[in-house]
Amino acid sequence: AQSVTQLDSHVSVSEGTPVLLRCNYSSSYSPSLFWYVQHPNKGLQLLLKYTSAATLVKGINGFEAEFKKSETSFHLTKPSAHMSDAAEYFCVVLSTGAASKLTFGTGTRLQVTL
Amino acid sequence: DVKVTQSSRYLVKRTGEKVFLECVQDMDHENMFWYRQDPGLGLRLIYFSYDVKMKEKGDIPEGYSVSREKKERFSLILESASTNQTSMYLCASSSFWGGLSTTYEQYFGPGTRLTVT
Repeated sequence: AQSVTQLDSHVSVSEGTPVLLRCNYSSSYSPSLFWYVQHPNKGLQLLLKYTSAATLVKGINGFEAEFKKSETSFHLTKPSAHMSDAAEYFCVVLSTGAASKLTFGTGTRLQVTL
Repeated sequence: DVKVTQSSRYLVKRTGEKVFLECVQDMDHENMFWYRQDPGLGLRLIYFSYDVKMKEKGDIPEGYSVSREKKERFSLILESASTNQTSMYLCASSSFWGGLSTTYEQYFGPGTRLTVT
């Protein structure tokens, strides 16, 4: 069974500094991986997805993630944090089968300070 | 734009009440899902449906049931609400995956925050 582990439940950065949110996956085959973001009192929004094409994936709002098979990682990064990036971020893996289920990580809350 | 709507944003119910949470999507998606979200636990799948009148248990189905009589509507039912079902409930929909994961995405509703007292 596929699973993901988010290594940090809470990350705090200063505005203008880089963001790194860590995610490791477990899968017996090449997985499809996603990052979703949830802003306060808003629904979940897809940030980016990896589907075995390019290993470096670019998403919305300047975020990107790199799939590293040797490290079983799919970390989310952004060169310069903005106050509006404060939200909860979920690393997600897609399982194949009849109804394409998503398995979510436990989430990382990103705090951005002045 | 895909739209997934949920019947209530906030709901307060008493222990033992029967609770209905409704979800409607407007994109003719085959798949629909119910999750609950709790702090520190992420989203956990309760039930999903890949066709009208079809349903499958997710990871935490105990205490819940579902109904899908029409393609666009997926209902979550708490037969006898308990305090440990106080949570945020999220509905999602997606098209059939069919092996083309490059196009796969689940679209989420805004959520219903249920409090059981």
